[in-house]
Amino acid sequence: GENVEQHPSTLSVQEGDSAVIKCTYSDSASNYFPWYKQELGKRPQLIIDIRSNVGEKKDQRIAVTLNKTAKHFSLHITETQPEDSAVYFCAASRTGRRALTFGSGTRLQVQP
Amino acid sequence: NAGVTQTPKFRVLKTGQSMTLLCAQDMNHEYMYWYRQDPGMGLRLIHYSVGEGTTAKGEVPDGYNVSRLKKQNFLLGLESAAPSQTSVYFCASREQGGDEAFFGQGTRLTVV
Repeated sequence: GENVEQHPSTLSVQEGDSAVIKCTYSDSASNYFPWYKQELGKRPQLIIDIRSNVGEKKDQRIAVTLNKTAKHFSLHITETQPEDSAVYFCAASRTGRRALTFGSGTRLQVQP
Repeated sequence: NAGVTQTPKFRVLKTGQSMTLLCAQDMNHEYMYWYRQDPGMGLRLIHYSVGEGTTAKGEVPDGYNVSRLKKQNFLLGLESAAPSQTSVYFCASREQGGDEAFFGQGTRLTVV
């Protein structure tokens, strides 16, 4: 089955700096890679996703890049703000019935 | 449109007791999933269903049973609770052929 590894487990940045979280996956057939943000006590919320036919996707201050050859993808957050503080999860799956396989999460803390 | 709703939100069980967690979705999604979330381990798939009347094992199925008698409901049962089942449980659903998974608000279960 799929295995997703995520690094780092914790990340502390100063407000305004950039943050990068990296994930690798094992199943070359995976074609969907979402990123979820989870605030304390809340459900995971999708913030951005990318499909395997695209190398990069941006949405305002967040972007995701995908390298299919190396089987890794990354989340980039620019101009970080205190409200970006949360746990971020990457995931991978094949489109359709297969469930998402999640990374172990990154706790991001943005220092004011 | 409530999305995905889990019942109950919190529960404390004694070792050996049984209980059922209910997940209900009103989006007419075919696929439904139960995950457990433990610190530092991300979300791990317990069981999933690809349609009414079908269920399948995920990564960590031992000690749990599931049923999908109605398309909109996915039940997770613990027949004899153990302290190792103390966790936060999330239900999710996904439409057929779709990518994005929608999560319930979670159930915090403590087994003492």
